[in-house]
Amino acid sequence: AQTVTQSQPEMSVQEAETVTLSCTYDTSESDYYLFWYKQPPSRQMILVIRQEAYKQQNATENRFSVNFQKAAKSFSLKISDSQLGDAAMYFCAYRAHSGAGSYQLTFGKGTKLSVIP
Amino acid sequence: NAGVTQTPKFQVLKTGQSMTLQCAQDMNHNSMYWYRQDPGMGLRLIYYSASEGTTDKGEVPNGYNVSRLNKREFSLRLESAAPSQTSVYFCASSRESSYNEQFFGPGTRLTVL
Repeated sequence: AQTVTQSQPEMSVQEAETVTLSCTYDTSESDYYLFWYKQPPSRQMILVIRQEAYKQQNATENRFSVNFQKAAKSFSLKISDSQLGDAAMYFCAYRAHSGAGSYQLTFGKGTKLSVIP
Repeated sequence: NAGVTQTPKFQVLKTGQSMTLQCAQDMNHNSMYWYRQDPGMGLRLIYYSASEGTTDKGEVPNGYNVSRLNKREFSLRLESAAPSQTSVYFCASSRESSYNEQFFGPGTRLTVL
């Protein structure tokens, strides 16, 4: 079974600074997808960024980028120019490309990010 | 375009009571999902419906049943609630492909006393 590990339960960053959230995963599949979701205090789950395993290029969405290291099974999220609105729980998630497991998102336990004004 | 809606937002039950959580989506998605979120945990999949007329178990299905009423609606039923089912429940929907984003509802906070 796939597992997703987020080793940092809590992180903090100064406003306008850069922070990196870590995620590692375990899978025997070669083709899969990885996601970062944000959950603010409102509880709403919001997709931040996604990465296809067969793409070597790291995904980028405005201030958010990932460092995808397939061999190391690592998928970290970098937030640049942090803003107060970035304060939230961040979840790393894995999804298989095909088969029965492809319908399931497997989540890590999350990292709580605080932004200090 | 409301996205994914869930009712109710909050519910308190006594042990042994039953209830149904309702979920609807207006994005014409084929796939729908029910997750639960416990403190200190990520979301875990309870059941999913890949398409209208089909349902399958996820990681933690015990104590739950589901019904895919039509393409829009996917309900989750607790037949005899237990304190271990105290959690926040999220419904989600997506198009079929694994690449596609799962869109989540606002969640239902359920407390079982």
